[in-house]
Amino acid sequence: AQKVTQAQTEISVVEKEDVTLDCVYETRDTTYYLFWYKQPPSGELVFLIRRNSFDEQNEISGRYSWNFQKSTSSFNFTITASQVVDSAVYFCALIASNQGGKLIFGQGTELSVKP
Amino acid sequence: GAVVSQHPSWVICKSGTSVKIECRSLDFQATTMFWYRQFPKQSLMLMATSNEGSKATYEQGVEKDKFLINHASLTLSTLTVTSAHPEDSSFYICSAPGTRAFRETQYFGPGTRLLVL
Repeated sequence: AQKVTQAQTEISVVEKEDVTLDCVYETRDTTYYLFWYKQPPSGELVFLIRRNSFDEQNEISGRYSWNFQKSTSSFNFTITASQVVDSAVYFCALIASNQGGKLIFGQGTELSVKP
Repeated sequence: GAVVSQHPSWVICKSGTSVKIECRSLDFQATTMFWYRQFPKQSLMLMATSNEGSKATYEQGVEKDKFLINHASLTLSTLTVTSAHPEDSSFYICSAPGTRAFRETQYFGPGTRLLVL
C-alpha cells in the first residue's frame, strides 16, 4: 500500500524565517515519483517539483529546496527566507509506477507566514 | 505547458438536483483523467479514474451510481453528481497525466466548488 504522511498540520512563522515541511512516504515499489504541490486560497494546485526514486540529488530552486532521502523515506521541503506570499497549504504526493498514475496525497501542511 | 480546464468553477444547486462538471485537456490528449474531491481543511482524495472509451474505475467507498463519469473523447471527461445533497458540497478537481507512462507531472484543473443547499 502507498501512503504519504505530513505530520505537521499547521506551521506559523514570521517573514524571513526558514521553514521545513516534512514528508514521509511508504511504498513497496522500487520505482516511484514524489511531488510537492502548493495550494493557495484560490484552490488551484501549483506544481513545485517532481523527483523519481532513482534520483536522490537534492534540488534548489530559488528560495525552495528539497531533500530526498530514501534511507528514511523522506522528501522534505524547505523554504528559505519565507515571505507572506508563501502562505498556502502544501501537499506532498506519491505515484508508484504500477498504480496507473494515481496520486496519493499527504494530509497537507498549512503554512502561515506572518509579516 | 499542458493546460486542463474545468467548468464550471462554481456551482450552487438545490438538494436533489444533478450537477455536471466538465474537465478538458486543452492542448494534449488524455486517455486517462482522475477525479479528486477535497473537503475543507482536508487533503485531496481520489474518487475515480476516468478512462476514454471504457468504464471509469472507482475508489473504494465512492458510489458509482451517484458520481457518474463519462470520458467521451480524448480531451473531455465529465463528472455528474446525481441527486446532490448537502454532504456532497466539496471542491472537485480533475487531473490528467501528460504522458501514458504517467512519469510526467499530472496537470490539474482549477477545480469546481460545489455547494448544495
